[in-house]
Amino acid sequence: GESVGLHLPTLSVQEGDNSIINCAYSNSASDYFIWYKQESGKGPQFIIDIRSNMDKRQGQRVTVLLNKTVKHLSLQIAATQPGDSAVYFCAENGAGGFKTIFGAGTRLFVKA
Amino acid sequence: NAGVMQNPRHLVRRRGQEARLRCSPMKGHSHVYWYRQLPEEGLKFMVYLQKENIIDESGMPKERFSAEFPKEGPSILRIQQVVRGDSAAYFCASSPGGQSDTQYFGPGTRLTVL
Repeated sequence: GESVGLHLPTLSVQEGDNSIINCAYSNSASDYFIWYKQESGKGPQFIIDIRSNMDKRQGQRVTVLLNKTVKHLSLQIAATQPGDSAVYFCAENGAGGFKTIFGAGTRLFVKA
Repeated sequence: NAGVMQNPRHLVRRRGQEARLRCSPMKGHSHVYWYRQLPEEGLKFMVYLQKENIIDESGMPKERFSAEFPKEGPSILRIQQVVRGDSAAYFCASSPGGQSDTQYFGPGTRLTVL
């Protein structure tokens, strides 16, 4: 069946360091992937997305990498800041379905 | 341009009562999705609606739960005869199109069943 999961449930980084959050997916037919950030008490906030015809996409301080061979997705945050502390979810969409399937989430702690 | 709006933000109900959660999508968005989130867990898809149509309700419990998105007004997620296990955060998202379109989330409604 379909599933999207994360390798690391928690990640603690020093302010200013780079963060890498990983995600594995099992449905090779998925064609659209999204990273969301969720702060405590708030709804998920879109960060960046990537379609299956790409392997890398960059935004402001964030980069998403997609490796279709091993069905792996990662989010890289450059120069991590205290405001980046949150739970990060990868999500999978498309593949003929309408629902977005979310992974379990990784909690990022940024130490000052 | 206002984002996705949900109300109420917090809702307390006693067992057996009904809960109505409302969602107004972003301006120009005609697709609405409802998700449920338990503490320390990811979001679970419940239902996907377009105006006046339910497109995919594969994540909705068969009983007590229903959703609608009328031609006019917000989308409504209705839970009848609530039980303690219904306590969760319910998030609504909207998108301009459907499949493979970015979904933008509202702030959620936190339902507590006493």
